[in-house]
Amino acid sequence: EVQLVESGGGLVQSGGSLRLSCAASGFTFSNYAMTWVRQAPGKGLEWVSTIVTNGASTYYAVSVKGRFTISRDNSKNTLYLQMNSLRAEDTALYYCAKDQLSAYWLDSWGQGTLVTVSS
Amino acid sequence: QSVLTQPPSVSGAPGQRVTISCTGSSSNIGAGYDVHWYRQVPGTAPKVLIYGNNNRPSGVPDRFSGSKSGTSASLAITGLQAEDEADYYCQSYDISLTGSRVFGGGTKVTVL
Repeated sequence: EVQLVESGGGLVQSGGSLRLSCAASGFTFSNYAMTWVRQAPGKGLEWVSTIVTNGASTYYAVSVKGRFTISRDNSKNTLYLQMNSLRAEDTALYYCAKDQLSAYWLDSWGQGTLVTVSS
Repeated sequence: QSVLTQPPSVSGAPGQRVTISCTGSSSNIGAGYDVHWYRQVPGTAPKVLIYGNNNRPSGVPDRFSGSKSGTSASLAITGLQAEDEADYYCQSYDISLTGSRVFGGGTKVTVL
């Protein structure tokens, strides 16, 4: 059974940094692209970033490009999201998801970790 | 403003059929990219409901079906049940930004 467990969320001041982690199990992590999606309170889903299997290519939403960095450690089956220069509008529940890269859909999701940025 | 447009809400009585539209453009659905649908019960994570326009993962009832035409797609729910109350999101890929997965704004389904 696929399991994705996010951690690292919390309360941070505007301009601060936070690193999220997503521990994966139940599948061969190194064979799949991975994606972060966020959901602001009471709002819809927003794609944040995607990383390919070996980490060689990364993609970002315009809203986070230059501030967030996605990475992965295939030896630890773990996905990361380094978030810098955080803004109030980054407040959201952040989900990691297993990505069917070739068809651009997300077949499994974690339960999310909450990031709150205070202004 | 979401790249894909969905109605904010739809409703129906138990047993009825409801449809949710998802309208895109020539840079996503109209460019030939597949549409996928996710269901989210409030307070829980999204789960894929339909992938590749009209494919159901194992465990998803055949009451749920998807279709795509031109720059739009639709999700149909037949035999509406109380447990179908949830938020539904469409998703596709957009060529305007490399790697960009795009979502609709979500549709709340209410069973009357």
